[in-house]
Amino acid sequence: ETGVTQSPTHLIKTRGQQVTLRCSSQSGHNTVSWYQQALGQGPQFIFQYYREEENGRGNFPPRFSGLQFPNYSSELNVNALELDDSALYLCASSPSSGSTDTQYFGPGTRLTVL
Amino acid sequence: DQQVKQNSPSLSVQEGRISILNCDYTNSMFDYFLWYKKYPAEGPTFLISISSIKDKNEDGRFTVFLNKSAKHLSLHIVPSQPGDSAVYFCAASAFGGTSYGKLTFGQGTILTVHP
Repeated sequence: ETGVTQSPTHLIKTRGQQVTLRCSSQSGHNTVSWYQQALGQGPQFIFQYYREEENGRGNFPPRFSGLQFPNYSSELNVNALELDDSALYLCASSPSSGSTDTQYFGPGTRLTVL
Repeated sequence: DQQVKQNSPSLSVQEGRISILNCDYTNSMFDYFLWYKKYPAEGPTFLISISSIKDKNEDGRFTVFLNKSAKHLSLHIVPSQPGDSAVYFCAASAFGGTSYGKLTFGQGTILTVHP
C-alpha cells in the first residue's frame, strides 16, 4: 500500500510568483487536506477536498486555491507569493471526510519565498 | 484563538521511564483526538487516536487518556526509548461547526529521551 506522496520536496520562489504543489493520496482515500506549518508551530488547516469538491476552508486568503482530480490526487496553488508564505506545506489523506477519519500525512514540501 | 494547547514546549526523560505529554482544548465540539509524532524534515506520523466516547485507548507502549470534563488529554509512553525523541503534536477534529473534518493542532512538545 502506497502512502501519501508530495512533490516537489523543496522549492524556492521569489515574492509575487505563483507556485503549484502536488499530492497523491493513499490508496483507497477520497479526501485530501492541506496544511501549512510555519517554523516552531503546529500545522494550520488550509482547506479540504472531498470527491473533487472543496469541503471546508481555514483562515487563508483566496490566493490559496486547490484542486482534486478524479484519482483523488490534489494540487495546492498559491498566487502572488509573500515572504510569510515560506513554510512546510503538508498534504494529508483520509478514507473519507468524517471527523473520525484519521488523516495520514505526506512528507511535505518546503517552500522558501525570497 | 488557540483551541488546542500544548503548554510544555519540551520534555526530557530518561530511557526506560514514562513520558507524559499533555494537551488541553477549549472547543466542546471536538469529538476525535489524535497524537502525531514528527521528525525533522518529515511529515507527521499518526501514533494513536481516541474518540470522545472513550476515556482510554492503548496501543503497545502508547496510551492516550481523555478527560472530557477537564477538556484534557495526555499521551503516556512506557517505557520511553531514545527513538521516541521527536516533536509530538496533539490534534482534534469536531463533529460539526466550522471545525468539522479539519484537524486543529497544538504547538507541539519536543520530547528528548536520554540513553
